[in-house]
Amino acid sequence: GDSVTQMEGPVTLSEEAFLTINCTYTATGYPSLFWYVQYPGEGLQLLLKATKADDKGSNKGFEATYRKETTSFHLEKGSVQVSDSAVYFCALSFDSGTYKYIFGTGTRLKVLA
Amino acid sequence: DVKVTQSSRYLVKRTGEKVFLECVQDMDHENMFWYRQDPGLGLRLIYFSYDVKMKEKGDIPEGYSVSREKKERFSLILESASTNQTSMYLCASSSQETQYFGPGTRLLVL
Repeated sequence: GDSVTQMEGPVTLSEEAFLTINCTYTATGYPSLFWYVQYPGEGLQLLLKATKADDKGSNKGFEATYRKETTSFHLEKGSVQVSDSAVYFCALSFDSGTYKYIFGTGTRLKVLA
Repeated sequence: DVKVTQSSRYLVKRTGEKVFLECVQDMDHENMFWYRQDPGLGLRLIYFSYDVKMKEKGDIPEGYSVSREKKERFSLILESASTNQTSMYLCASSSQETQYFGPGTRLLVL
């Protein structure tokens, strides 16, 4: 079946370090791909998305490119801040009317000052 | 901005109690979802609804039921709470592909 695999956390980085969180997917069609972020004590917020191959989603300095050939949607940021400490979820969805999501297990990021 | 609200941030219930979790959205979205979030398991879909009075089971519906009598409100019901239902419960709504989440309800069943 369809699935999303994320790298295991936690990921601990120093402020201003480069961030990569890996996400790969298995899907029978061509899904839309998402990154959501969950700050401590809060619900999930959409960080960025891409709806077709080679699309790049970006927001708040984060980027991810939809790579069909490697079935990946890795999240990157050039210089992380302490305020980026959160749990990051990769997800996919099909345009099926109900737009159900399949989520990865989440990757916790901790950024140290 | 889309707003999804959940009736409680924290709940403590006893085993066997009937528990209601309420979710309200203010953007006239057709689709609403209930998830539970557990460490190491990510988000798992319990139920979703694509219209008033319409519902479908998600991946882990056992022990839960739902109600959607009005478009803006989607309720999750634990008919007889058990300790293994201690979790974070997240509600979401969407009209198309982007889901908008509430802040979550952390439920502890003793």
